[in-house]
Amino acid sequence: NAGVMQNPRHLVRRRGQEARLRCSPMKGHSHVYWYRQLPEEGLKFMVYLQKENIIDESGMPKERFSAEFPKEGPSILRIQQVVRGDSAAYFCASSPPDGANTEAFFGQGTRLTVV
Amino acid sequence: QQQVKQSPQSLIVQKGGISIINCAYENTAFDYFPWYQQFPGKGPALLIAIRPDVSEKKEGRFTISFNKSAKQFSLHIMDSQPGDSATYFCAASKRWGNTPLVFGKGTRLSVIA
Repeated sequence: NAGVMQNPRHLVRRRGQEARLRCSPMKGHSHVYWYRQLPEEGLKFMVYLQKENIIDESGMPKERFSAEFPKEGPSILRIQQVVRGDSAAYFCASSPPDGANTEAFFGQGTRLTVV
Repeated sequence: QQQVKQSPQSLIVQKGGISIINCAYENTAFDYFPWYQQFPGKGPALLIAIRPDVSEKKEGRFTISFNKSAKQFSLHIMDSQPGDSATYFCAASKRWGNTPLVFGKGTRLSVIA
């Protein structure tokens, strides 16, 4: 019973490149959340998705960032034209579809370094 | 605007002592208050959580105290052990389940022998 799987665990990109972060939720889970953690900071909510739908993207920067959760395959967080300030740990969490009174489980994160 | 304020930033406790971490929130719509534990290089893991209809919840050595009128809640770790050394985050959300969490900035706990 695998947990939330994120890959890659570490990603190095040069300024201006694109970063693609993948998240496979726990088996049976259809809700996915992305959070960003800057050094010495708590996690900041970015986006909440269900299969094929964005439910809440209030925490997403307006430019360069996008997220999807297709019917088949993992959820993808995409950062275009990365800048040094994008360097952070990005965590994905998933929860089951039945909604109420359920916990979200976190993956181990992808640590993005922009050089 | 920080919706959940956490203190202290770091904490050193002797083995066997009590670790206390405090959080305060602003949004009265919050209805679910979990605590997460994070070890270096790992994702956060749920430790214990509370709803506002109770003032205290205990699970093993971990206790949450909740004061609805003061909009504050705290984590107490009894008989702290070196294995408890980690970063602890309080969080809040508007309901339990399928809702984004708002996190505090974290407390780095070191338990020394």
